[in-house]
Amino acid sequence: GNSVTQMEGPVTLSEEAFLTINCTYTATGYPSLFWYVQYPGEGLQLLLKATKADDKGSNKGFEATYRKETTSFHLEKGSVQVSDSAVYFCALRGGGADGLTFGKGTHLIIQP
Amino acid sequence: SAVISQKPSRDICQRGTSLTIQCQVDSQVTMMFWYRQQPGQSLTLIATANQGSEATYESGFVIDKFPISRPNLTFSTLTVSNMSPEDSSIYLCSVLGGTLTGELFFGEGSRLTVL
Repeated sequence: GNSVTQMEGPVTLSEEAFLTINCTYTATGYPSLFWYVQYPGEGLQLLLKATKADDKGSNKGFEATYRKETTSFHLEKGSVQVSDSAVYFCALRGGGADGLTFGKGTHLIIQP
Repeated sequence: SAVISQKPSRDICQRGTSLTIQCQVDSQVTMMFWYRQQPGQSLTLIATANQGSEATYESGFVIDKFPISRPNLTFSTLTVSNMSPEDSSIYLCSVLGGTLTGELFFGEGSRLTVL
């Protein structure tokens, strides 16, 4: 079946630091890949997505590239802000499943 | 994108009771999904609800515990039956976005606390 593995948190960084949150997946075929963000007290929002190999999703300064050879979809941002503090979920859709399979989430804390 | 409204947004319930969560979407959608997010955990799919057919439940979830209705293309309900403290979670309704992209849009969730 499908599965998503992402780095454990919490991840604590200083403002303007470089961010990487690792995500790897297991799925049959060619899944679509997603990053969702959950800000404190809010619902889940789609941050970015990629639907085929070598696609790069980007939004709000965040980027992630669909790497089929390494089955990865790592989230990166060049300079984080305090407002980026949230829980980030990597997810995939594919392998015949209609719903999304989520990773466990990474709690990101940005300190001023 | 779809706008999804859930009711109640939060509730405190007594052990042994049941609660029905409503999900209203501002557009017609074929597929709706119900997820559970236990405290500090990721999202787990409970079931897929398609209009006009029985809901499809994931492993570990059964209809007697989580009955679902899907009377039309814009509305669904999830009931959490005979609740115990282990059912304390956020329950989220979601809908499938454009077929080509496959992302889900989520409601803000219903936070249930069972005493």
